[in-house]
Order: sequence, then C-alpha cells, then structure tokens
Amino acid sequence: EIVMTQSPATLSVSPGERATLSCRASQSVSRHLAWYQQKPGQAPRLLIYEASTRATGIPARFSGSGSGTEFTLTISSLQSEDFAVYYCQHYNNRPPWTFGQGTTVDIK
Amino acid sequence: EVQLVESGGGLVQPGGSLRLSCSASGYTFSTYAMHWVRQPPGKGLEYVSGISNTGGNTYYTDSVKDRFTISRDNSKTTLYLQMSSLRADDTSVYYCVKERTTGWYDFDSWGQGTLVTVSS
Repeated sequence: EIVMTQSPATLSVSPGERATLSCRASQSVSRHLAWYQQKPGQAPRLLIYEASTRATGIPARFSGSGSGTEFTLTISSLQSEDFAVYYCQHYNNRPPWTFGQGTTVDIK
Repeated sequence: EVQLVESGGGLVQPGGSLRLSCSASGYTFSTYAMHWVRQPPGKGLEYVSGISNTGGNTYYTDSVKDRFTISRDNSKTTLYLQMSSLRADDTSVYYCVKERTTGWYDFDSWGQGTLVTVSS
C-alpha cells in the first residue's frame, strides 16, 4: 500500500496570504495525484487532478505541482471561503488507493 | 447535472449487516467506474472499494476485504455496498463517488454521504 503523508497537519494563514501544502507518497505515483477540499458538513470537492490540472470551476488561485513522490498545492491569495481541510489522494494503477491524512487551513 | 444519492445507513450492532445504495443520475452510469469512500466522525478520508463500469472488476481496501461486497446494477443506475460482520471501527459517513473520466481516475462527483454507526 502506498502511504500518503501530508504536511503540515495545520496551517494558520491570514486572508490574502499564500498557503503551501505538501503531500509525499511512499513510492512513485507518477502524476496520478489529486487534491480535494472539504468544508465542515460537506462532501469533498475535487480541486486538482493529474497533479497540476484544475478541475472545472476551480479558481486560478489554486495550483498544483510535482510528480513522482513529492507534490504541492498552492493557494496564492487565501480567500475566506478557502479555509477548509485539504486532502491529497493517489490513483496510481488500480485500487485500492489512499488519501493523505489532511491539512487544515485555518485563519491566523 | 450529476447527482449521487446514498441511502441505507443507520445504527447496527457489531457483527450485523447493512446494505448501502447509491442512486446515480445526470450522466451515463454504465460508462464510469464507481467507488465508496468513508470518513469516520472527525477523521480523514479512507478509500473503501471500487467497481469497474461493467461490474467485472472489483477492488477493496484490506480492512474490508471478505466482509464488504461492492456491486452495481447498470439498468437501475445504482451502486451498492453490502457490509457484513460490521465492527465499531466501520462507523463512518460513507460516500458514493464517481470517477472523473473513464479508466480509473480521480473523483469528480461525490454524494452527500450516509452515516453508518456500529454500536451495541
């Protein structure tokens, strides 16, 4: 099983600032990496797929990068609606796949 | 618009069984693989199981293998998860999810989730 490790667990950021979230895979997943956003009481929402492609309707302030085992989600200028939990997930080869444990982005 | 609506959750005793259903609409159900993802209260996401578009291939995370069975009825555009020998650590919100594009990819549509509570 590929283990996905996210860091930090919690990121405190002021509105308008940049947030950088990391995700590391225990072995290469190529670019088969997605990022999801989850707000309290809601289902997760797809933000980024194939490591760097924004999903439909996702604002340009969200960007993803990386390949192999190291990935980054960057939110260039945090808006109030961006405070949430973010998960990375690999979908390399066939299931079962794994999620990272999540990074909570909260207001500083 | 894609809609995924789960049902069948509830309170069940340890060792019991439950069947979850997910009714899909707004797209060609038989084209896409489908999956179940769960989330224990206050915790992170865990992949549970997936099934190919035809139902011919199924996959499970180790902790549910031999206890859970995923299936689908393309004529009814419905996904199922039969859960047996339930344990307290199966307590979670269970989400039905659709892959974004065919061929085993990320998840672009999620249901609202159904809560399964395993407790005596």
